Amino acid sequence: EEHLVESGGGLVQPGGSLRLSCAASGFTFSSYWMHWVRHAPGKGLVWVSFISSDGTTTRYADSVKGRLTISRDNAKNTLYLQMNSLRVEDMAVYYCARGRSGLYDMDVWGKGTTVTVSS
Amino acid sequence: QTVVTQEPSFSVSPGGTVTLTCGLSSGSVSTTYYPSWCQQTPGQPPRTLIYNTNIRSSGVPDRFSGSILGNKAALTITGAQADDESDYYCVLYMGDGSWVFGGGTKLTVL
Repeated sequence: EEHLVESGGGLVQPGGSLRLSCAASGFTFSSYWMHWVRHAPGKGLVWVSFISSDGTTTRYADSVKGRLTISRDNAKNTLYLQMNSLRVEDMAVYYCARGRSGLYDMDVWGKGTTVTVSS
Repeated sequence: QTVVTQEPSFSVSPGGTVTLTCGLSSGSVSTTYYPSWCQQTPGQPPRTLIYNTNIRSSGVPDRFSGSILGNKAALTITGAQADDESDYYCVLYMGDGSWVFGGGTKLTVL
C-alpha cells in the first residue's frame, strides 16, 4: 500500500527556517510527480509547489516563490520542502501528495505536518 | 491572478442529490483543466474522490460523480449520506505547471 509520511514541522519565529520531509513507501517514488499543499487554520487548501519525477522541473505558488524550495532524493524515496523567511501567513498543516503525469491529479496524500510561525 | 470559485456552503437532505460547482473568475472550466475533487473532514488529510473530470478514485462510492456542466466543473452526490458531510475542494491544473484549489464548499447533510 502506498504511504506518504511528513515530518519536520514545528514552532518557528517569523523570519526563521524549517525543512519538511515526506517519506514515501509502497510505490516507485522516482516515477511520480510530487506536490506540497497546505491548509491554514480556518482557510481552504492551497497548492504550494510541484516537482517532476526526476527533480529537474519545479513550480511554486506566487505567495511562496523565492522563500520555499522543493526538492527530492529519489535514492532515499524522500521529498523535501525547505522553508526560509517564514511568515505568520505560512502557518498551516503541510501535506505532501503524489501526482500523476498525464492525469494532473493528486492521488495519494500524507497525514500532514504542522508548521507554527509565532514569536 | 486566477480565482477558482466554489459555493461556500451547501445543504442537502439525507438521500437527496446535490451538485457542487467549480468555476473560474475569468473564463470557462473545461476538461483541459483536468478538474479533480477532494473531500476533507476536520482533522483529516484530503482524499481525492474524482480526477480527470469524471473518473472515480479507487474505493469511492458510485454516488459521487464528476462532470462539466456549462462552463463549470461539477461534483454530484446522489443519495447523500450523513458521512458525506465534509468540505469539498476542486483543484484545476492551469496548464503552466501550477495548480489552483477552489475555496471549498462546506456540505451539510440534514
